[in-house]
Formats: sequence, C-alpha cells, structure tokens
Amino acid sequence: AQSVTQLDSQVPVFEEAPVELRCNYSSSVSVYLFWYVQYPNQGLQLLLKYLSGSTLVKGINGFEAEFNKSQTSFHLRKPSVHISDTAEYFCAVYDNQGGKLIFGQGTELSVKP
Amino acid sequence: GAVVSQHPSWVICKSGTSVKIECRSLDFQATTMFWYRQFPKQSLMLMATSNEGSKATYEQGVEKDKFLINHASLTLSTLTVTSAHPEDSSFYICSASGGVGEQFFGPGTRLTVL
Repeated sequence: AQSVTQLDSQVPVFEEAPVELRCNYSSSVSVYLFWYVQYPNQGLQLLLKYLSGSTLVKGINGFEAEFNKSQTSFHLRKPSVHISDTAEYFCAVYDNQGGKLIFGQGTELSVKP
Repeated sequence: GAVVSQHPSWVICKSGTSVKIECRSLDFQATTMFWYRQFPKQSLMLMATSNEGSKATYEQGVEKDKFLINHASLTLSTLTVTSAHPEDSSFYICSASGGVGEQFFGPGTRLTVL
C-alpha cells in the first residue's frame, strides 16, 4: 500500500524567507502526487499536483514542487513566504488500487513577522 | 469551477440525537464522494467512499450503522451521525472526485455533541 511521510510537523519561518516542506512517498510504478493547504476551520485547497511530465510543478500562491523519482520525494517550496501562508499543508499520493488519496501527517507552517 | 459545499458549517447537538451533514458538488457531477474525519492538529482520516446509486464502502474500524452515508444523486451525498455522543465531536470534511486522483474538498462541518 502507498504511504506518505511529511518529515516536519512544524516549520516556523520569518516573513519573506524561503521555505521547503518535505514529503516522501512509498515507491510505486506510477504515482500521482498532490499538495493541499488547509487554513483554520476550513477544507482543503489544492496547491499543485504532479501526474506526469515535467518534474517541476508550479502551483497557486507562488508555490512549486519538484518530483524526484530516485529519492521518492515531492518537496514543496516557496522562495518568499507571507504571513498569509500560515496554514497546515498536506502532501498526498493517489492509491491506484484503493482509488483514494493517502495523506501525510501534515506540516504546520507558521510565518512570523 | 469544481466547488463543493457542505451544510451545515457547524452544528451543536445533544447526546443521543442524530445529525445529518450534506455535501454538494455545485458545478459538476460527482460519481464518487469521500467522507473524512479530522481531529485537532491531525491529518484527515478517510471514513468511507460513496458512489452514486450504490452502498458506501467504509474503511476498517468505521461503524457503518453509526455513520450512515447516502449518495442518491450525482451532486449530493449525506452523512448521518446516528445517536451521536461526545466522542463523535469532530471536524467532518467531504470531497468529490474530479479527474485522476484529484479531489475537491468541501469547507467542513464542525460537529459538537454535548
């Protein structure tokens, strides 16, 4: 079965600094990967997704992620964060056999002024 | 496009009562919908997969008689928490399938059982 590991439960960072949120997935023949953001007391919003093609994926709000097959990673990055980026971020992989998303534990990004 | 709504956004009920939560896909048809439960500071836990016109598939450990799911149309799925107790208090989120692996999420429903 597929699995996802988000290596950092909390990432504090100062405003305008770069940030990387790490995500590793269990190996599979084909893999579809997603990053979602959740603001307090809200549902999840899709940031970006990798289905195939270019390994560098650009998403909304200035975020991007790189699919690295050899390291089975899909790290999320942003060159300069804003206070408004403070939220919970979830990495997910699509489980072909089960037809469902497998979520990581989440990373709380806290941007301080 | 791809908007999913949930109603109510929050609900407070007494122990022993039943609560129904609606999940609607507003601008697309959703053959498959999902119901999740989320505890504070934790990830989403999939409760069940709901397919239009058929019985829901529940994840291991989820009581299907406790959490009744109905997906009667391509735009509506409902979750009914029967005989709710304080331990059922949680944040419930639905999603609708859209494309390869992707899901569109509703805003969530905060259930508090007194």
